[in-house]
Amino acid sequence: SAVISQKPSRDICQRGTSLTIQCQVDSQVTMMFWYRQQPGQSLTLIATANQGSEATYESGFVIDKFPISRPNLTFSTLTVSNMSPEDSSIYLCSMTHNEQFFGPGTRLTVL
Amino acid sequence: RKEVEQDPGPFNVPEGATVAFNCTYSNSASQSFFWYRQDCRKEPKLLMSVYSSGNEDGRFTAQLNRASQYISLLIRDSKLSDSATYLCVVNEGSWGKLQFGAGTQVVVTP
Repeated sequence: SAVISQKPSRDICQRGTSLTIQCQVDSQVTMMFWYRQQPGQSLTLIATANQGSEATYESGFVIDKFPISRPNLTFSTLTVSNMSPEDSSIYLCSMTHNEQFFGPGTRLTVL
Repeated sequence: RKEVEQDPGPFNVPEGATVAFNCTYSNSASQSFFWYRQDCRKEPKLLMSVYSSGNEDGRFTAQLNRASQYISLLIRDSKLSDSATYLCVVNEGSWGKLQFGAGTQVVVTP
């Protein structure tokens, strides 16, 4: 199975600040995905991070709020900008390698 | 209306019993279907894919009903370790754009 690591695993942040989450995968993949799972809710796709091009955002998510970098085939970052308490959630990166694998998630709490 | 709907449960199941639950999806063009398992504070992990003819993996049986747009999961001879949240996942065609249900919680009791 694929190995995906994320850091930080959790953070508590102040309103108005930004946090960058890193995702490292052990295989070279063209597409990586960023999901959000709010408390008690299902996973929601934020964006697809393509290597060599701009990320593709889903409805309700914008680049200014969630800028994404994809510098190579094994790494991606998601930044949660100008945070508010509503951004408190688990953020998961994901990749496809015969099946869809998820990172362990970053648990974000915004005060 | 949500794309994928599930009964949140919890389903309290005595050890050794059978439990079954469904998931409905709204997009009739959906192409592939999965059950994922998510343990508390962990990431989702693929339990099994769901095929049109129905499929079995050990104690787990998945069924797909395209006409009624639902999939089901049945767990036989429940183990304590089966306690988890089971996520119904639908792929509408573009690999990676998965639609997730909110999950069905199963609690297996001794």
